[in-house]
Amino acid sequence: DQQVKQNSPSLSVQEGRISILNCDYTNSMFDYFLWYKKYPAEGPTFLISISSIKDKNEDGRFTVFLNKSAKHLSLHIVPSQPGDSAVYFCAAITGGSNYKLTFGKGTLLTVNP
Amino acid sequence: DGGITQSPKYLFRKEGQNVTLSCEQNLNHDAMYWYRQDPGQGLRLIYYSQIVNDFQKGDIAEGYSVSREKKESFPLTVTSAQKNPTAFYLCASGLDTQYFGPGTRLTVL
Repeated sequence: DQQVKQNSPSLSVQEGRISILNCDYTNSMFDYFLWYKKYPAEGPTFLISISSIKDKNEDGRFTVFLNKSAKHLSLHIVPSQPGDSAVYFCAAITGGSNYKLTFGKGTLLTVNP
Repeated sequence: DGGITQSPKYLFRKEGQNVTLSCEQNLNHDAMYWYRQDPGQGLRLIYYSQIVNDFQKGDIAEGYSVSREKKESFPLTVTSAQKNPTAFYLCASGLDTQYFGPGTRLTVL
C-alpha cells in the first residue's frame, strides 16, 4: 500500500515557466514533508520541507504548499530552469520518535530551453 | 567539509558472495539510514539506526545486515540471502531532514 503517491511519472515544462509537482498521501499521521531532487546515479539532494502546522514554505524559486484536508502537497518552481531537470521525490515523516522517511516514486521533470 | 561518503561508487560481485557497502558521515548525526532504489521506484528503507549500538529493520530488511559500532559509520552487508541484490544503495543521516550520500551501484553477476 503506497502511502505517498506521485501520480505523474513525468512533467515537461518550458524554461521560464512554472513547474508544479504534485504529491498525495494517505497516512494522516504524517506531520513533516520534504522534497528531494535527484540526478541519475547520485544521491538525492534536499530541497525544501514543510511542517504540518504550516500551509506554505518558500525558499527562493521553490515553494511548497500543503493542503492537510486534501492530504496533498505540491512543489512550485518559478521560474523553471534547464538545470532543474531531474527526478523529484516527495517524502513524509510520521510524528513521534520514529524518523523513517516514506518516499513517493518520483516525478521526472524536464525543463526545455 | 561535512558530508556523507559512500564507497565505492560502483561494485560488482558474483552471485552467492556477501558484500559490505561503507557509509561514513562527519555531520555528527546520531541517526543513519540505508535505502535501496530500483528503476521507476522510490527509495525503500532497509535499516536505520538512531544511536550507536542500536538499529532497527526497515521495510525491506530481509537479506541485509548492519552494524553501528561508531557514530560516524553504518556499514551495510548484502548477504547471499538477498534475492535481488542488484540496485542503487543510498545511505543517509539526520533526523527530520535526512542528507544523502552519493550512492553505491551494486551489480551482482
